[in-house]
Amino acid sequence: AQTVTQSQPEMSVQEAETVTLSCTYDTSESDYYLFWYKQPPSRQMILVIRQEAYKQQNATENRFSVNFQKAAKSFSLKISDSQLGDAAMYFCAYRSARNTDKLIFGTGTRLQVFP
Amino acid sequence: AAGVIQSPRHLIKEKRETATLKCYPIPRHDTVYWYQQGPGQDPQFLISFYEKMQSDKGSIPDRFSAQQFSDYHSELNMSSLELGDSALYYCASSPGGVGEQYFGPGTRLTVT
Repeated sequence: AQTVTQSQPEMSVQEAETVTLSCTYDTSESDYYLFWYKQPPSRQMILVIRQEAYKQQNATENRFSVNFQKAAKSFSLKISDSQLGDAAMYFCAYRSARNTDKLIFGTGTRLQVFP
Repeated sequence: AAGVIQSPRHLIKEKRETATLKCYPIPRHDTVYWYQQGPGQDPQFLISFYEKMQSDKGSIPDRFSAQQFSDYHSELNMSSLELGDSALYYCASSPGGVGEQYFGPGTRLTVT
């Protein structure tokens, strides 16, 4: 069975600085997707970034980028130029490439952003 | 752009009562997923439907049932409610069951 581990329950960063959130996963599959979701106080689950396992190039979305290390089964999220609005719970999630497969979430990292 | 719609947004029920949660996926999305997020926990997969057929089942109690209708909306029926069922219930949808899942705003169920 696949598992997702987020070892940082809480992180903090100063506004305009850079922060990296860690995620590791375990799977025997070779084809899968990895995601980072943001859950602000409104509790809306917002997709931040997506990575396909077959792609070697790390995904980027504006200030958000990932460091995907397939052999190490590591998938960290880097937030550059942090903003107050980035404060939220961040969940790392795994999904098999099989159609209709479910998301498996890590336990989340709460990010605080200080002015 | 249209998003996933969930109703009601908040629901308060007493123990042993029944609740029905509704989910309206993004237009042209034929796959619906249900997740349960308890207080301080990560979302846990309950059940999914693809083209109106159940496609996968997670740790969903036997007291819960769900279905997807011909217009692709889905309903989660919960009976004999227990205090431990208090949680945020998310519905997500995706097109053809591939790629990213788009989440609704969730239904907060409180069982007293």
